Amino acid sequence: DIQMTQSPSSLSASVGDRVTITCRTSQSINYYLNWYQQKPGKAPKLLIYAASSLQSGVPSRFSGSGSGTDFTLTISSLQPEDFATYYCQQSYNARTFGQGTKVEVK
Amino acid sequence: QVQLQESGPGLMKPSGTLSLTCAVSGGSISSSIWWSWVRQPPGKGLEWIGEIYHSGSTNYNPSLKSRVTISVDKSKNQFSLKLSSVTAADTAVYYCARLSLTTSYSFDPWGQGTLVTVSS
Repeated sequence: DIQMTQSPSSLSASVGDRVTITCRTSQSINYYLNWYQQKPGKAPKLLIYAASSLQSGVPSRFSGSGSGTDFTLTISSLQPEDFATYYCQQSYNARTFGQGTKVEVK
Repeated sequence: QVQLQESGPGLMKPSGTLSLTCAVSGGSISSSIWWSWVRQPPGKGLEWIGEIYHSGSTNYNPSLKSRVTISVDKSKNQFSLKLSSVTAADTAVYYCARLSLTTSYSFDPWGQGTLVTVSS
């Protein structure tokens, strides 16, 4: 099984901050890494697929990078609607999610 | 635009079999796409349960494989989940989702989710 390590588990930030979340996998998954945003009581929403491709309709302040075992989700300028929990997910071998990162108001 | 809607009992007793259905609208379940189930225990993270292709081929999470069956009903444009021998640990919001090949096997869209509580 491919293990996912997402960090940090939570962070506090202010509107306008640059936020970075990392996801590390236990073996190489090439670029088969996706990122989701989840708000309380709602289903997750796809933000980034194939490590760096922006899903249609997602604001350009979201970006993804990485390949192999190390990946990053960056929010260039945090907006009020971005306070949420973010998950990475690998699709190289079966499907596995990271533990999640909660982005909270500082 | 494809939309998904889960349905099923919200409360069930331990040792029973959980049964949920996901109705697909706005598209055919026979498209070249996999259809999935994901769950989320209250206050915890996401766990992939399994997926099915319209041909009936399935993949399951190894940790749940012995208890899970996913099936598809093309005539009703829906797919279903059965999870046997449930315990309180199976209490979760259960989501159905489309697994798209064109977006690196990502889950999109998702149903709204349905809470299943296992309690005596």
